[in-house]
Amino acid sequence: KAGVTQTPRYLIKTRGQQVTLSCSPISGHRSVSWYQQTPGQGLQFLFEYFSETQRNKGNFPGRFSGRQFSNSRSEMNVSTLELGDSALYLCASSLVSRGGETQYFGPGTRLLVL
Amino acid sequence: AQSVTQLGSHVSVSEGALVLLRCNYSSSVPPYLFWYVQYPNQGLQLLLKYTSAATLVKGINGFEAEFKKSETSFHLTKPSAHMSDAAEYFCAVSDNAYGGSQGNLIFGKGTKLSVKP
Repeated sequence: KAGVTQTPRYLIKTRGQQVTLSCSPISGHRSVSWYQQTPGQGLQFLFEYFSETQRNKGNFPGRFSGRQFSNSRSEMNVSTLELGDSALYLCASSLVSRGGETQYFGPGTRLLVL
Repeated sequence: AQSVTQLGSHVSVSEGALVLLRCNYSSSVPPYLFWYVQYPNQGLQLLLKYTSAATLVKGINGFEAEFKKSETSFHLTKPSAHMSDAAEYFCAVSDNAYGGSQGNLIFGKGTKLSVKP
């Protein structure tokens, strides 16, 4: 079974531009979460989607948005990029089964804002 | 507001020794607690999760963590360290994890574990 895939893996943008990152969850997983990882702020939760609805949201400005499609694939958009948005963006998909809950992470998209 | 404090940004142990990574949390409601691991140049992996079912939680790769409400702690342990355990470990707290959701996770700063041969 394929794992969580994120595209693109690396991205360079300039300040003021916008960017869209994509995450394809493991087949059958309906929950997708996004996280930002930076050396300064560490790991921070962005938002979670379940069945095309945002279920939870972290403390990020409105420039950060996301959505989930009917096939559970999710996109994250950052508008008006700032230098501080340079980070590793991680996506995870979750499945709740009788054996408990499992969460799998993708390799991340590394965004550099110049 | 919730918060997580991981004591020690770097911990070094010898192979075969006990691993103890400390995590203290602050939460105004019964918390959900997590440990994640990030291996060098790899993505995150969920090690284990506490959701109030049992205070001692067993995770993958031989790790376990014990929830102690009186101490507001959720320390991660492993009886015998392997070289492959070298990684960065993150403790996290949430106030609304349910139905397969991790909720609004607040992460600690992480602890890098080194394992000496």
